[in-house]
Amino acid sequence: KAGVTQTPRYLIKTRGQQVTLSCSPISGHRSVSWYQQTPGQGLQFLFEYFSETQRNKGNFPGRFSGRQFSNSRSEMNVSTLELGDSALYLCASSLDQGENIQYFGAGTRLSVL
Amino acid sequence: GQSLEQPSEVTAVEGAIVQINCTYQTSGFYGLSWYQQHDGGAPTFLSYNALDGLEETGRFSSFLSRSDSYGYLLLQELQMKDSASYFCAVNNAGNMLTFGGGTRLMVKP
Repeated sequence: KAGVTQTPRYLIKTRGQQVTLSCSPISGHRSVSWYQQTPGQGLQFLFEYFSETQRNKGNFPGRFSGRQFSNSRSEMNVSTLELGDSALYLCASSLDQGENIQYFGAGTRLSVL
Repeated sequence: GQSLEQPSEVTAVEGAIVQINCTYQTSGFYGLSWYQQHDGGAPTFLSYNALDGLEETGRFSSFLSRSDSYGYLLLQELQMKDSASYFCAVNNAGNMLTFGGGTRLMVKP
């Protein structure tokens, strides 16, 4: 069974641009969560989607958004990029609601210049 | 607000036992998880405690005391490959995880 797949693995953007990151969960998993990882702030929860609905949202500005498709694949979008958005963006999938285990992808490393 | 505290760095020798502590202040607590992350890698699930007590999985064990808002991860028979960062995380509503800052474990020969 394939794991969580995130594309692209690396991305370089400039300030003011927007970016879309993609996540394909493990087959059969319906919950997808997104996290931002930086050296200063650590791992921070962005949002979670289940059955195409956003169930939880972390404390991030509205420039960060996401969506989930009917096949459970998810995308997150960051508009008007800032230097501080440089980070590793991790996607995690779970089988269902209230699962104890989340399976993480390798992440997308975003550099904003 | 929510916060989790864990030591930033721990060093131990191969074959030894190491304990990584985690204290938390949070609302909506469903359980405490532990994840391992090697440099450049994805976090991988190690253990989960919903109730007080000890959970054992091979060389790794995890403990939780809900009344003390405290847990720990115990790694036995340390191997060089155990050198990694270890994160405690509170399972909140849904599948939301609130992570601690991580403990970097260095295993020396």
